[in-house]
Amino acid sequence: DAGVTQSPTHLIKTRGQQVTLRCSPISGHKSVSWYQQVLGQGPQFIFQYYEKEERGRGNFPDRFSARQFPNYSSELNVNALLLGDSALYLCASSSPGQEITDTQYFGPGTRLTVL
Amino acid sequence: DQQVKQNSPSLSVQEGRISILNCDYTNSMFDYFLWYKKYPAEGPTFLISISSIKDKNEDGRFTVFLNKSAKHLSLHIVPSQPGDSAVYFCAGGLYGNKLVFGAGTILRVKS
Repeated sequence: DAGVTQSPTHLIKTRGQQVTLRCSPISGHKSVSWYQQVLGQGPQFIFQYYEKEERGRGNFPDRFSARQFPNYSSELNVNALLLGDSALYLCASSSPGQEITDTQYFGPGTRLTVL
Repeated sequence: DQQVKQNSPSLSVQEGRISILNCDYTNSMFDYFLWYKKYPAEGPTFLISISSIKDKNEDGRFTVFLNKSAKHLSLHIVPSQPGDSAVYFCAGGLYGNKLVFGAGTILRVKS
């Protein structure tokens, strides 16, 4: 079975540009979460979506937005890129509702470099 | 405010011996904890989890212990293998959502 997939693998942008990252969850998973991981730190929660509704948002500026589609795939958008947005962006899928404690499974990430 | 802390940036262990990775948390609302392993250029791989109603969970060579009164959890790997060399992250959350991660511990298993 395919795991969580993300595209693109790598991306280079310049300051002020906009970027869209994509994620496809594990088949059957209805929840997608996005995390940002900068070098030397653990992943930091950005968003969680479930059934196309935003379920939670981390401490990130409004330049960050996301959405989930009817097929449960998701996009993360970042506007007005800053140098500090350079990071590994991770997508995780889970299947809430089946168990009270659902496990999040991560994709390989998209490495974003802002110049 | 670091809600999850992994105070050891790195750990070096001989092959065949036990590896013990530690994690402390401050948020008493967390009811689910997970350990992930991460290789360079890959996403975190789920290893093992524990619910706050338990104090121990085992899966093969991996055991996680939870001490709620001390707000401390640990991951034991026995026996350690060279392939276990990676960065290990602990994470806590409510119902496993909105996970809060520690900064990670680099484990090196020497053969």
